[in-house]
Amino acid sequence: RKEVEQDPGPFNVPEGATVAFNCTYSNSASQSFFWYRQDCRKEPKLLMSVYSSGNEDGRFTAQLNRASQYISLLIRDSKLSDSATYLCVVNIGGSYIPTFGRGTSLIVHP
Amino acid sequence: DVKVTQSSRYLVKRTGEKVFLECVQDMDHENMFWYRQDPGLGLRLIYFSYDVKMKEKGDIPEGYSVSREKKERFSLILESASTNQTSMYLCASSPTPGRDITDTQYFGPGTRLTVL
Repeated sequence: RKEVEQDPGPFNVPEGATVAFNCTYSNSASQSFFWYRQDCRKEPKLLMSVYSSGNEDGRFTAQLNRASQYISLLIRDSKLSDSATYLCVVNIGGSYIPTFGRGTSLIVHP
Repeated sequence: DVKVTQSSRYLVKRTGEKVFLECVQDMDHENMFWYRQDPGLGLRLIYFSYDVKMKEKGDIPEGYSVSREKKERFSLILESASTNQTSMYLCASSPTPGRDITDTQYFGPGTRLTVL
């Protein structure tokens, strides 16, 4: 079983739609969680950290469910510019090394 | 803004050549990483370093070595390049987590290496 699993997609949605991605992790000692965004042929960049209480940044909402060991990313009112690959990242407590999921591809069309 | 730079965006080498990929970060981060990224396989960790002259193997260290002589610089070396090392190579750095510091990674723009 992979340590961090994501549905690779692609998720193909129209502009204005709401879309949600989940990411499951296997190590219950995981302590910090992130969503990164990677545009085609570019490097990954931090989109948002994921806190236990959930957090929101504009159209983006991240949630953590420790009991079921998954994190989620919700994107409201999708824009064409949201088209990218979204990477789930999990850090185990005390480790310097993050574990990356393989990413979920999102395509927003007109 | 944190800046991570890599020496080349695109590189073409021949089988058997020795290849050096350089990475420099300007934020005094303790930790530095080298990944390769291939379609369908995601990011795979080659080596990381948590301090000057310290290094640890990642998931796929075979065929690679690294050097960290200064805190800001982390080099990846392909001793004898092979065609299966054709890939996108990404360098990243991060601070050591503390009360006011998160362990966010910052990536360089990547080097697309082709080995012929």
